Amino acid sequence: GAVVSQHPSWVICKSGTSVKIECRSLDFQATTMFWYRQFPKQSLMLMATSNEGSKATYEQGVEKDKFLINHASLTLSTLTVTSAHPEDSSFYICSAKYPPTGGSSSRETQYFGPGTRLLVL
Amino acid sequence: KQEVTQIPAALSVPEGENLVLNCSFTDSAIYNLQWFRQDPGKGLTSLLLIQSSQREQTSGRLNASLDKSSGRSTLYIAASQPGDSATYLCAVFSRGTSGTYKYIFGTGTRLKVLA
Repeated sequence: GAVVSQHPSWVICKSGTSVKIECRSLDFQATTMFWYRQFPKQSLMLMATSNEGSKATYEQGVEKDKFLINHASLTLSTLTVTSAHPEDSSFYICSAKYPPTGGSSSRETQYFGPGTRLLVL
Repeated sequence: KQEVTQIPAALSVPEGENLVLNCSFTDSAIYNLQWFRQDPGKGLTSLLLIQSSQREQTSGRLNASLDKSSGRSTLYIAASQPGDSATYLCAVFSRGTSGTYKYIFGTGTRLKVLA
């Protein structure tokens, strides 16, 4: 089956620094990837949709200047948390749309990465 | 706006019991529904994916049903085991207000199976 990886799996950083998280589709090309955030004991909330070669689409309430998304290739999307603060500490999960292109929307699904836990001190 | 609710929020059962987890969604115009398992501090493991045209899916001791018209899905776990202890998430795949297709996740059910 399709595999999505994330790196790093764990990151601890000081307040004010920037952190980059990578999401890779290992055995398929992903024109569209998604970034979710999960706070403790809460469900996953979609932050943004990342499209290869174009600007990301952000959900309401998500600061695009704080959470920079770059989808420069068909297998890699990156999320950079700029000037991270303790309230940004969370579990960040990415997913990749499958099939990559075409097909019926009813057959479309997403494969999820293992997540990255961010702790900002 | 699509909203997904899961009941109960938490469940503790003795080993061997059959149990049912519930998921409800407000907009029946979905393309598929997926049940996931999440262990503490870990990512998501897909358990079952039900397309909008399907009524149920089975995998081993798991059976998921979908009633689109009433906005409900259930996950049935037979003969529960301590290893089933985890949080179970329901997610519906539908078209958002911006026109993009996306998953909306439920609040999850935290299951604990006692040995």
